[in-house]
Amino acid sequence: KNEVEQSPQNLTAQEGEFITINCSYSVGISALHWLQQHPGGGIVSLFMLSSGKKKHGRLIATINIQEKHSSLHITASHPRDSAVYICAVSLTDKLIFGTGTRLQVFP
Amino acid sequence: EAQVTQNPRYLITVTGKKLTVTCSQNMNHEYMSWYRQDPGLGLRQIYYSMNVEVTDKGDVPEGYKVSRKEKRNFPLILESPSPNQTSLYFCASSFGQGWFSGYTFGSGTRLTVV
Repeated sequence: KNEVEQSPQNLTAQEGEFITINCSYSVGISALHWLQQHPGGGIVSLFMLSSGKKKHGRLIATINIQEKHSSLHITASHPRDSAVYICAVSLTDKLIFGTGTRLQVFP
Repeated sequence: EAQVTQNPRYLITVTGKKLTVTCSQNMNHEYMSWYRQDPGLGLRQIYYSMNVEVTDKGDVPEGYKVSRKEKRNFPLILESPSPNQTSLYFCASSFGQGWFSGYTFGSGTRLTVV
């Protein structure tokens, strides 16, 4: 069983829809990261969370440490949000990554 | 501009021909690491470095070497590349591994070994 599980693996949406991507982990962590990878391949760090909730524009990330679960929400989705979203957890000496959620938003 | 610079972006090489992928950061970050990304497997750590002259193996170190002689540079060396090392490689850096450290990633190097 993977230490970091994401769901769904693939997600399609119409422009304007509210999107939720989930991440569950089974190890003790110091922080959780949400990353975005566009079709060109580059990876951008969206959020780093150790508790509670963070918001940046239309993106919201939450984490529940007791339940070992995090969610990434996108409000009013747009075609430019189409990308792979990756959850990663920080351990003492490394990051462990989920396999990603591929999101496609259609006009 | 704060960034991690990887070179080259694309590389096709033949089995056994030594190659180096360079990684440089301009943020004075202490922690640097290398990952490979393969379909269905996600990103996996190859090697990491907590500071100058301090390196350690990640989850998939076989066939790779690294060095950290200066804080800003962390090259990845494939002494004798094989086709199973065909992958997309990323370098990343942060101030430190753990609690308050966000990561900056390079643009990636797509390596094909034939």
